Amino acid sequence: ELKVEQNPLFLSMQEGKNYTIYCNYSTTSDRLYWYRQDPGKSLESLFVLLSNGAVKQEGRLMASLDTKARLSTLHITAAVHDLSATYFCAVGDRDDKIIFGKGTRLHILP
Amino acid sequence: DSGVTQTPKHLITATGQRVTLRCSPRSGDLSVYWYQQSLDQGLQFLIQYYNGEERAKGNILERFSAQQFPDLHSELNLSSLELGDSALYFCASSAGGTGSEQFFGPGTRLTVL
Repeated sequence: ELKVEQNPLFLSMQEGKNYTIYCNYSTTSDRLYWYRQDPGKSLESLFVLLSNGAVKQEGRLMASLDTKARLSTLHITAAVHDLSATYFCAVGDRDDKIIFGKGTRLHILP
Repeated sequence: DSGVTQTPKHLITATGQRVTLRCSPRSGDLSVYWYQQSLDQGLQFLIQYYNGEERAKGNILERFSAQQFPDLHSELNLSSLELGDSALYFCASSAGGTGSEQFFGPGTRLTVL
């Protein structure tokens, strides 16, 4: 059974700093998703990663996928307050089910 | 605005009752997904439909059922409701194939009293 682990679960950081959120998963998959959720809101799709070595960037966020290590990272560069949110990774399994991590609650201090 | 609509926004009902949640996907999207989000369980994938056919099934209880109609809208039926069914229910849609980007609706907040 596919399991998805995110860490850290909570992150408080200063504006201007860099940090990385990690997403590990337990079985082979070729589909990994990153989402953002603001308090009381729905989920916003950030990235879809479909192949080993895939790297995607949007603004201050960059996501990568290493299928051999079963690891994806979401890197935040020079954080700004507007990036405060909860970030989820999700992985598709061989039966097309989608398993979510518990989420990383990111709080960026001005 | 993702283009995915869900109704109702809020629903308050009693234990033992049955409710229907509705989702209209983005124009042109063939896949619809249902998710449940609660403090206890986090985000759980329930079920996916593709062009009217069930495509994948997650942690959906037997008391719950879903379908996708010919016009591609979808309904999630929850019956014999329990207190623990209180949660946010999201619908998402995508163009189709495996690995397509999913666009989430605003959600329906269900409260079971």
